[in-house]
Amino acid sequence: SQTIHQWPATLVQPVGSPLSLECTVEGTSNPNLYWYRQAAGRGLQLLFYSVGIGQISSEVPQNLSASRPQDRQFILSSKKLLLSDSGFYLCAWSSGQKGDQPQHFGDGTRLSIL
Amino acid sequence: GENVEQHPSTLSVQEGDSAVIKCTYSDSASNYFPWYKQELGKRPQLIIDIRSNVGEKKDQRIAVTLNKTAKHFSLHITETQPEDSAVYFCAARPPYTGGFKTIFGAGTRLFVKA
Repeated sequence: SQTIHQWPATLVQPVGSPLSLECTVEGTSNPNLYWYRQAAGRGLQLLFYSVGIGQISSEVPQNLSASRPQDRQFILSSKKLLLSDSGFYLCAWSSGQKGDQPQHFGDGTRLSIL
Repeated sequence: GENVEQHPSTLSVQEGDSAVIKCTYSDSASNYFPWYKQELGKRPQLIIDIRSNVGEKKDQRIAVTLNKTAKHFSLHITETQPEDSAVYFCAARPPYTGGFKTIFGAGTRLFVKA
């Protein structure tokens, strides 16, 4: 069966510091991968998605970036964090071949910027 | 592009009563409609989904109905229990979007009072 791992679970970072969040998927190949951000009590904002290695599409202009160095690895980064980057970051995957299959979410990273 | 509206934003019911959450979508080509439940501090989890060739789907106390003509779909929870308290997200997926992007509603916070 497929599993998705996301780490760290929580992170407290000062303003201006760098960020690296990692997500890996097991049990499937060539998945579509997604990064979402969720502000407290709010909905799901799609940040990036990827359909293959090295292929990144950005949905929202910001100081974040994403990379996919391997088929089942998705990384969210920032060179300098802002206070507004605080939130709950969720990685998700879906089948790369079938459009009528759900997205499956990781457990998320709660990021607090001080 | 696709837009999903979800109502109500908050719903409070007595234990044992039914709860109904309604969503509308704008793109008639959308063909896949998942529903997610997110408990406080946790990841969204798929609870039920429906494809455009089906009008209704049931899974124990949960049912989803789809009206393609009116472009709306609804989640019905019967015999609600306190553990049903969570935020529920509806979503729609147009078939042509890159990366099989899922368009989410803003969420409904359901409170089930014991």
